[in-house]
Amino acid sequence: GAGVSQSPSNKVTEKGKDVELRCDPISGHTALYWYRQSLGQGLEFLIYFQGNSAPDKSGLPSDRFSAERTGGSVSTLTIQRTQQEDSAVYLCASSITGGNQPQHFGDGTRLSIL
Amino acid sequence: GQQLNQSPQSMFIQEGEDVSMNCTSSSIFNTWLWYKQDPGEGPVLLIALYKAGELTSNGRLTAQFGITRKDSFLNISASIPSDVGIYFCAGQLSGATNKLIFGTGTLLAVQP
Repeated sequence: GAGVSQSPSNKVTEKGKDVELRCDPISGHTALYWYRQSLGQGLEFLIYFQGNSAPDKSGLPSDRFSAERTGGSVSTLTIQRTQQEDSAVYLCASSITGGNQPQHFGDGTRLSIL
Repeated sequence: GQQLNQSPQSMFIQEGEDVSMNCTSSSIFNTWLWYKQDPGEGPVLLIALYKAGELTSNGRLTAQFGITRKDSFLNISASIPSDVGIYFCAGQLSGATNKLIFGTGTLLAVQP
């Protein structure tokens, strides 16, 4: 498809397990962002990738969160030893470049920690 | 995390009415954006504003970038049932990250 693709769309897991969330950005987009949206809240920035530059990890809430982007395209967000407060919708966005180019969002992964 | 002040929190209106919502910030932004989010979907970009004082329209939607660069508003004219959803403002800082800072959202309900 032409848009940002995220998988899985829903994930339910037990507290303490690790989870991996995947994002396929729009083809040709060099900038990729991860955001988290808790119930009834706006989006909270997590991490930003731009080309081959070092990612901006300043929004990651703890060292249990990590992300990588392989080959400048697909990105994986990993949460280790999940906690109940990690339950949220995790949204990925991409833009043509960084700067003020509009960010286009996927439909997110709804993560529920039991 | 940091969020913008967005108001109103919710609006319940009749079809055909005009709607106005706004965002304010203590920080200066270089870009203001307005998104709409439907249940189970990601935010969809409605309008992007790049210059202080800029007034931009997209169909029945009009948005302005405040001259202080600390606020923005979105107007929807002649609302229709498909306008229902959550509207988010977002400010973008220039610099290494260009991350978006989002408002808390305005829930719009339109009664036919």
